Amino acid sequence: EAGVVQSPRYKIIEKKQPVAFWCNPISGHNTLYWYLQNLGQGPELLIRYENEEAVDDSQLPKDRFSAERLKGVDSTLKIQPAELGDSAVYLCASSFGLAHADTQYFGPGTRLTVL
Amino acid sequence: KQEVTQIPAALSVPEGENLVLNCSFTDSAIYNLQWFRQDPGKGLTSLLLIQSSQREQTSGRLNASLDKSSGRSTLYIAASQPGDSATYLCAVINAGGTSYGKLTFGQGTILTVHP
Repeated sequence: EAGVVQSPRYKIIEKKQPVAFWCNPISGHNTLYWYLQNLGQGPELLIRYENEEAVDDSQLPKDRFSAERLKGVDSTLKIQPAELGDSAVYLCASSFGLAHADTQYFGPGTRLTVL
Repeated sequence: KQEVTQIPAALSVPEGENLVLNCSFTDSAIYNLQWFRQDPGKGLTSLLLIQSSQREQTSGRLNASLDKSSGRSTLYIAASQPGDSATYLCAVINAGGTSYGKLTFGQGTILTVHP
């Protein structure tokens, strides 16, 4: 069974440019998460979807970040415009059911470098 | 706000040693606690999940304990091997307040097992 798929794996852009990350969760998983991981730190939740509904986006910087999961399957995270401080690894995860009940499975992440 | 702390930040041991990684959390209102492994450039792999009503979980050479009332968990690795070298992350699912349903991570322990 395929795991969580993310693309691209690496992205280098100049500041003020837009960037988008794509995630395809494990088939049948209803809950999808986007995390931000800075070097030497644990991941921090940006947004959580239950099916196509964003149920927790309190940590998402909405002035420049946006996310969507239109059909309740794959998801896109966008940054526009990117800033130097956005350089980090962006992780996507999915779980079958609710966040508190089921194990989350993580993708390999997208490493973003903003120059 | 839930805070998760892991000690030590880094650990280097010779092959064959038994070792203990520590995790503490400030808010005991949790649904479960998970231990993850992260290899360089890769996503997170769930190792063990302990429900709040449980005291411990075992998988192979790994044993994780949970003392919810004192806000502590330990991950015990028996007979360590070079292949165990990775970053180990502890995370809790919060049960109350503004952090409900959110997975909060510690900063991780970098483990190196040398032959």
